[in-house]
Amino acid sequence: KAGVTQTPRYLIKTRGQQVTLSCSPISGHRSVSWYQQTPGQGLQFLFEYFSETQRNKGNFPGRFSGRQFSNSRSEMNVSTLELGDSALYLCASSLDYRGEYNEQFFGPGTRLTVL
Amino acid sequence: KQEVTQIPAALSVPEGENLVLNCSFTDSAIYNLQWFRQDPGKGLTSLLLIQSSQREQTSGRLNASLDKSSGRSTLYIAASQPGDSATYLCAPCAGRGGTSYGKLTFGQGTILTVHP
Repeated sequence: KAGVTQTPRYLIKTRGQQVTLSCSPISGHRSVSWYQQTPGQGLQFLFEYFSETQRNKGNFPGRFSGRQFSNSRSEMNVSTLELGDSALYLCASSLDYRGEYNEQFFGPGTRLTVL
Repeated sequence: KQEVTQIPAALSVPEGENLVLNCSFTDSAIYNLQWFRQDPGKGLTSLLLIQSSQREQTSGRLNASLDKSSGRSTLYIAASQPGDSATYLCAPCAGRGGTSYGKLTFGQGTILTVHP
């Protein structure tokens, strides 16, 4: 079974631009979460989607948004990019069978560099 | 707000040693706890998942324990190998009843280096 895939793997953008990152969960997994990883702040939770609905949200500004499609694939969008948005963005999927959180599996991440 | 602390921050050992990595968390109302490893520039690889009702979980040379009431988890690595070199991360998962159900909170990790 294929793991969590994320595209693109690397992105270079300039301040003020916007970016869309994509995540395909493991087949059958219905929950998708997004995390930001930086050297200074470590891994921080962005948001989580289940059945096309945002179920949880972390403490990030409104420039960070996401969505989930009917096939459980998810996208996150960052508008008006700032230098501090440079980070590794990680996506995780979970089976979430009958509302129970199971083991979460992470993708390889998208490395975003903002110049 | 959940806070996770991992000790030590870094560890350098010769091959063959048995290791103990420690994790403490402030909110004991967790659903489960996962241990991950991360290689430089890569994503996270799940090592072990311990449900809140469990005390211990084992996978090969890895053994993780959980003391939910005291907010502690320990990852034990037996007979360490150079291939074990990585950053190890502990992540409790928020429990039901709160607004953060399902959210993983990460510590800063323990950077492990195993010398041949």
